[in-house]
Amino acid sequence: AQSVTQLGSHVSVSEGALVLLRCNYSSSVPPYLFWYVQYPNQGLQLLLKYTSAATLVKGINGFEAEFKKSETSFHLTKPSAHMSDAAEYFCAVKYDYKLSFGAGTTVTVRA
Amino acid sequence: GAVVSQHPSRVICKSGTSVKIECRSLDFQATTMFWYRQFPKKSLMLMATSNEGSKATYEQGVEKDKFLINHASLTLSTLTVTSAHPEDSSFYICSAEEGTSGPNEQFFGPGTRLTVL
Repeated sequence: AQSVTQLGSHVSVSEGALVLLRCNYSSSVPPYLFWYVQYPNQGLQLLLKYTSAATLVKGINGFEAEFKKSETSFHLTKPSAHMSDAAEYFCAVKYDYKLSFGAGTTVTVRA
Repeated sequence: GAVVSQHPSRVICKSGTSVKIECRSLDFQATTMFWYRQFPKKSLMLMATSNEGSKATYEQGVEKDKFLINHASLTLSTLTVTSAHPEDSSFYICSAEEGTSGPNEQFFGPGTRLTVL
C-alpha cells in the first residue's frame, strides 16, 4: 500500500525564516504526490503536486517541493515565512484513485 | 481552480436524528466524489467514494447503513448520517474529481462541522 509519513507534527518558525516540512513516501511504483494546506475550520487547498514531469515543483504562495527518488522524499519548502502561512499542512500520495494523507504538520509563525 | 461547496457549514442536532450534508461541484462535472472525516488535530480519513449513478464504495470499518451516500448527479453528492450519536460529531469534508486517473487533483469543499448533542 502507498503511504506518506510526515516528520514533525509541529513546526515553529520566525517570520522571514525558511519553512521546511518533511514528507517521505512509500510506493512500489512512481507516485503522484501532493501537498495541501488547511486553514482552521476550512477544507483543503492544493499547494502543489508531483506528476513526474519535473522533480522540482513550484506551487502557490511561494512554496515548492523537490521529489527525490533516492530518498523517497517530497519535502515542502518556502524561503521566507509569512504570518499567513500559519496553518496545517498535509502531504498525500495518490494510489489507484484514492488519496492517502500524512498525519499533518502544524506550522506556527512567530513575529 | 474548481469550486466545491458544502452545505450546511455547521449543524447541531439531537441524538437519534438524521442529518444530511450536501456536496456540490459548482463549475465542473465530478465523475467521482469522496467523503472524509477529520477528528480534531488529526488527518483526513476516507470514508467512502461515490460515482454518479452507482453505489458508493465504503472503506473498511465505515458503516454503510450509518453513513448513507447518494451521488444523484455529476454535480451533487449527499452524505446522510442516520440516527446520529455524539460519537458521530466530527468535521466532514467532501472532495470532487473530474476523472480519477493519474495526477488529477481532488478539489475539497470547506467542510461541515457536525455536533450531536
